[in-house]
Amino acid sequence: NIVMTQSPKSMSISVGDRVTMNCKASQNVYNNIAWYQQKPGQSPKLLIYYASNRYNGVPDRFTGSGYGTDFTLTINSVQAEDAAFYYCQRIYNSLTFGSGTKLEIK
Amino acid sequence: EVQLVESGGGLVQPGRSLKLSCAASGFTFSNYYMAWVRQAPKKGLEWVATISTSGSRTYYPDSVKGRFTISRDNAKSSLYLQMNSLKSEDTATYYCARHSELNLNWFAYWGQGTLVTVSS
Repeated sequence: NIVMTQSPKSMSISVGDRVTMNCKASQNVYNNIAWYQQKPGQSPKLLIYYASNRYNGVPDRFTGSGYGTDFTLTINSVQAEDAAFYYCQRIYNSLTFGSGTKLEIK
Repeated sequence: EVQLVESGGGLVQPGRSLKLSCAASGFTFSNYYMAWVRQAPKKGLEWVATISTSGSRTYYPDSVKGRFTISRDNAKSSLYLQMNSLKSEDTATYYCARHSELNLNWFAYWGQGTLVTVSS
């Protein structure tokens, strides 16, 4: 089974900074990755699909990249409302999620 | 507006069964693959099951295969999850989720979730 490993587990960033978080697949998943944001007490929200396609209405400060086994979610000029957990998901065959990255705003 | 409303969660003893429901509205239910995703307390997300538009095909991870059954009633725009032989590790919030257009495997719409607690 493919394992999705996210890093770091948590990070604390100041408003306006740029943040990068990673998702590594244990096998080649091509571009079959989605990214979600989940705020406390809320359901997850889709941000990115097929590794780099921004979903409808997602601010353009969110950017996904990568192919094969290594993927990145970048948030440019982080806002206070971006404080959340972020999850990657394999979107082919077994729909495995990563363990998440917690983003805190200083 | 797409809405997914789960129900049926609660406290259940280990080894017992529980059936969750999800009422869908705001879209043509019969056109979309549907799924259940769960989240244990303070833990990450885990995909639990997917069902095709007609219900003829279902998909599960090994962790629930043989114990959980996903089904749907397109006439009622409803999705179900029958959970048997429940274990403490099944304790989680269960989300109903809609697959994307073209029934690809990302989830753009989620319900608010229903909490299932498996405990004696």
